[in-house]
Amino acid sequence: GEDVEQSLFLSVREGDSSVINCTYTDSSSTYLYWYKQEPGAGLQLLTYIFSNMDMKQDQRLTVLLNKKDKHLSLRIADTQTGDSAIYFCAETIYSSASKIIFGSGTRLSIRP
Amino acid sequence: GAVVSQHPSWVICKSGTSVKIECRSLDFQATTMFWYRQFPKQSLMLMATSNEGSKATYEQGVEKDKFLINHASLTLSTLTVTSAHPEDSSFYICSARDQAAGNYGYTFGSGTRLTVV
Repeated sequence: GEDVEQSLFLSVREGDSSVINCTYTDSSSTYLYWYKQEPGAGLQLLTYIFSNMDMKQDQRLTVLLNKKDKHLSLRIADTQTGDSAIYFCAETIYSSASKIIFGSGTRLSIRP
Repeated sequence: GAVVSQHPSWVICKSGTSVKIECRSLDFQATTMFWYRQFPKQSLMLMATSNEGSKATYEQGVEKDKFLINHASLTLSTLTVTSAHPEDSSFYICSARDQAAGNYGYTFGSGTRLTVV
């Protein structure tokens, strides 16, 4: 079945690294995404990774994919107050008409 | 980059009335659009997949007669909440897929906050 799970909350100190974790169940997932949602706003695509990749880095963001364990993580280096938001892990499954399935979202809060 | 415009951004309506929400792809054509519903502090729940020129595909548990979807052109999909009730109050978000952009071509609208009183 299609299921994406994340922890609900994460609190980090400003300047530290944040690591948000996600697990998924469908082995036929093709692309995995990280989206950011600020209060009252839509979703902003942060980064994505194809399922045959292990890692992708984009400036402060590093995505790690362990396909064997169906585990995805997003690392934000040097976390800033502007990074406070909800982060959604998501996957597309081609067997399901390319729809995106979202995790529950992780609320990231930054401590001074 | 690809832009999806969603309108209105917020709406308040009386119980029993209908509300229409528009989702437009501004600079690309979208044969497929998606409608999501998000309750406070919860994730996005896919309601339906809107297909240009054909009927929408609804997810299990979503009432197709209550949430009418029309995708009459390659740049516009509409969601009409019919006979709205307070429990329909939610944040509705649309997404359009830019086929030319590949699998990262899912762009989201800014959402519509519906309050039914």
